[in-house]
Amino acid sequence: AQTVTQSQPEMSVQEAETVTLSCTYDTSENNYYLFWYKQPPSRQMILVIRQEAYKQQNATENRFSVNFQKAAKSFSLKISDSQLGDTAMYFCACRYGGSQGNLIFGKGTKLSVKP
Amino acid sequence: NAGVTQTPKFQVLKTGQSMTLQCAQDMNHNSMYWYRQDPGMGLRLIYYSASEGTTDKGEVPNGYNVSRLNKREFSLRLESAAPSQTSVYFCASNKWQGRTEAFFGQGTRLTVV
Repeated sequence: AQTVTQSQPEMSVQEAETVTLSCTYDTSENNYYLFWYKQPPSRQMILVIRQEAYKQQNATENRFSVNFQKAAKSFSLKISDSQLGDTAMYFCACRYGGSQGNLIFGKGTKLSVKP
Repeated sequence: NAGVTQTPKFQVLKTGQSMTLQCAQDMNHNSMYWYRQDPGMGLRLIYYSASEGTTDKGEVPNGYNVSRLNKREFSLRLESAAPSQTSVYFCASNKWQGRTEAFFGQGTRLTVV
């Protein structure tokens, strides 16, 4: 079975500091896509960043970047200059090419940014 | 641009009652999904529809049925609600293939008492 694992149920960080959220996945496929979603208290699921498995370059979106280690099947999210508005649940997800687009989610990491 | 619209946003049911959660998307996406979110469990796939006219079971389909009414609409039905179905339900859609992400509705908080 294809799985996504987030080993940190909760994390906290001081405002303006940097934090890294971990994610590992398990698949034998070569074609897949990786995503980080943010879920604030409003419950809305918001895409933070995405990474194609065939691209070696790590994706970056403003303060958010990933460290994609394909051989290790690792996909961590780094948030720089953390802001109070980054407080949310963060979900790592994998979309496998052969699964008709289904997203497999990790269990989430609850991030608290402290002033 | 509404994106993915779910109704209702909140619902309380008594054990044994039935209800249908509605979902519609206006992005011309082929694929639509129903997930449930429970504390500490992430999002788990209930059913999905890869294209109009097809539906398939996901990870946790028991107790649910779905209908892909047309390309825009995908409904989830609870025939006889049970307390174990208390959860937050999300509808999502995306293009069938490619790098595009899934777009989510705002969720339905369902409580079965």
